[in-house]
Amino acid sequence: QQQVKQSPQSLIVQKGGISIINCAYENTAFDYFPWYQQFPGKGPALLIAIRPDVSEKKEGRFTISFNKSAKQFSLHIMDSQPGDSATYFCAAEYTGGFKTIFGAGTRLFVKA
Amino acid sequence: GAGVSQSPRYKVAKRGQDVALRCDPISGHVSLFWYQQALGQGPEFLTYFQNEAQLDKSGLPSDRFFAERPEGSVSTLKIQRTQQEDSAVYLCASSLLEGTMNTEAFFGQGTRLTVV
Repeated sequence: QQQVKQSPQSLIVQKGGISIINCAYENTAFDYFPWYQQFPGKGPALLIAIRPDVSEKKEGRFTISFNKSAKQFSLHIMDSQPGDSATYFCAAEYTGGFKTIFGAGTRLFVKA
Repeated sequence: GAGVSQSPRYKVAKRGQDVALRCDPISGHVSLFWYQQALGQGPEFLTYFQNEAQLDKSGLPSDRFFAERPEGSVSTLKIQRTQQEDSAVYLCASSLLEGTMNTEAFFGQGTRLTVV
């Protein structure tokens, strides 16, 4: 049951370029949207998160854009670096819940 | 400890065998989560503990899966009569506060289970 749809499955970007990953959700009860970064052999790690009352959140080179009416949100990685090469997961949570719903993931490769 | 520790890192089980996967959360963390991550997929929720209480087990795929956290610290995920479809990475996460909101969950490196 995929409640959060993520695209693309894989992405290749030149060093210094912008990486963009998109996600869409259907459940309007979701009210918290984190992004996770996962390196091979490691567990996911929280990267950045946003609540639906904000349209954009920026932390360093990472920006989340949120469109509540379209039920879509995206991650932008500015000035992409080879060290950013990893799998990125969008996710969603709702108040009072105990689970994080993950997208299927995007494998990002940044070419040096 | 410094982070969430899971053991073993790798487990190969013959079909039909029982397995037990261990999770040592960060000391003092109230919440503990188990997730299953199939190859090339995102993690899928299995179960949630708040201290020793299992408040949500809606993600456990069958009654062959059982989890416990008897003293509110270490947790064990047990899979009975393993099947090939159980092959996956099992991730444990812990967080300082209750639930998922307003509290960052820290993941362990996972246990890769292969059923042959």
